[in-house]
Amino acid sequence: GENVEQHPSTLSVQEGDSAVIKCTYSDSASNYFPWYKQELGKRPQLIIDIRSNVGEKKDQRIAVTLNKTAKHFSLHITETQPEDSAVYFCAASSSSNDYKLSFGAGTTVTVRA
Amino acid sequence: DAGVTQSPTHLIKTRGQQVTLRCSPKSGHDTVSWYQQALGQGPQFIFQYYEEEERQRGNFPDRFSGHQFPNYSSELNVNALLLGDSALYLCASGIEPAGAYEQYFGPGTRLTVT
Repeated sequence: GENVEQHPSTLSVQEGDSAVIKCTYSDSASNYFPWYKQELGKRPQLIIDIRSNVGEKKDQRIAVTLNKTAKHFSLHITETQPEDSAVYFCAASSSSNDYKLSFGAGTTVTVRA
Repeated sequence: DAGVTQSPTHLIKTRGQQVTLRCSPKSGHDTVSWYQQALGQGPQFIFQYYEEEERQRGNFPDRFSGHQFPNYSSELNVNALLLGDSALYLCASGIEPAGAYEQYFGPGTRLTVT
C-alpha cells in the first residue's frame, strides 16, 4: 500500500518567515495530494490540494508543489502568522483505490511572535 | 449548509464492550470514510462506504465494522474493545465521482477504553 513520509516532525519559525514541509510517497499511482491543518482538539481542515497533472498551486500565503518523478510534494507557507500554528498533515490518494487517504505523521508548526 | 457531523463527542467504555459511532455527511456528499487517529499520529484509514457498501478497507481487524444508510449517514461499530482502541475517530465525507476527491472531516468522537 501507499506509504507517506513527512518531514520535519516539528518546525518553529519566527512570525513573518516562511515554513516548508516536505512529504514523499511510494505509490506511483497516487494522483491526488491534499494538505490538512489540525488545531488542537479540532478536526483536520483541508487547506489546499494538488492533482497529479499540476506542478504547483497557490492560494494566498499557501502554496503546494508536486514532483511526480521524484514522488515528493511540499507545502510552503509564506509570511507566517501566529494563527498558522497547528499540526499539518500531508496525504496521498489514488483514483484506483477510491481515494482512500494515506497520511503522513504530521508536522507541528509553531510560529513565534 | 451543515458540514460533517459526528456523535457522540466523547465516549468512555470498558475493555470488552462494544461501541457505535455515528456520522452524517456534508450535504450533497454520498461517500463516507472512517479514520482512527491515535494521539500524536496521523489519521489511519479504516474503511469507506459508498452506495451502502464497504468498498475499501484498511488494515483493521473484523472487530471494526460499519454501515451506510440510504440517507448516506454511517455508523462505525467496534466490538470487543481493547485499550489500544482508544483514539479519536474521524469520519470524512466526499462526493463521487471527481477528478480528485476532496474529503471533509467531522469533529471526531474521542473514545477512551479503560
